[in-house]
Amino acid sequence: KAGVTQTPRYLIKTRGQQVTLSCSPISGHRSVSWYQQTPGQGLQFLFEYFSETQRNKGNFPGRFSGRQFSNSRSEMNVSTLELGDSALYLCASSANLGTQETQYFGPGTRLLVL
Amino acid sequence: AQSVAQPEDQVNVAEGNPLTVKCTYSVSGNPYLFWYVQYPNRGLQFLLKYITGDNLVKGSYGFEAEFNKSQTSFHLKKPSALVSDSALYFCAVRDMRSGTASKLTFGTGTRLQVTL
Repeated sequence: KAGVTQTPRYLIKTRGQQVTLSCSPISGHRSVSWYQQTPGQGLQFLFEYFSETQRNKGNFPGRFSGRQFSNSRSEMNVSTLELGDSALYLCASSANLGTQETQYFGPGTRLLVL
Repeated sequence: AQSVAQPEDQVNVAEGNPLTVKCTYSVSGNPYLFWYVQYPNRGLQFLLKYITGDNLVKGSYGFEAEFNKSQTSFHLKKPSALVSDSALYFCAVRDMRSGTASKLTFGTGTRLQVTL
């Protein structure tokens, strides 16, 4: 089975721009979560989607948004980019919702904001 | 609120020696605990998880972890380290009282360096 895929792998943007990142979960997985990884803050939860509905949200400003499509693919969008948004954005999928579920991560999208 | 602590930023071990990467947790209810490994420029790879049952959990690549409820710890171990085990290791926790939420809370990571 193919793993979680994320596109693009690398991205350079300038302050004020917006960006859209894409995630395709493992086939059959219905839950997708997004995390931001930075050297200073570590791994932080952004949001989780299941059946096209946001189920859980982390403590990020409204500039960060996401959605999930009927095929479980997910996108996240960051508007009005700031320098501090430079990070590795990781997508993870799991078969279903639930505290016992294992999340499998993609390779990430590395975003650099100049 | 749930939290995880990884007290060591880096662990150094010689190849062939046993390794331990430490993790302690704090949750309101019973914990679900996970270990992930991250190689340079890669995402996180799942190693193992503790849900319930045996306190010793076996995972991928020869790794195992011991759940200790009284010490609120979930240390990652391997009997014989390999140079290829050198990577960044993350411990993560979920509170089983979180309902259907899948959010993981991660530790700050421990860099494992295995030398010849």
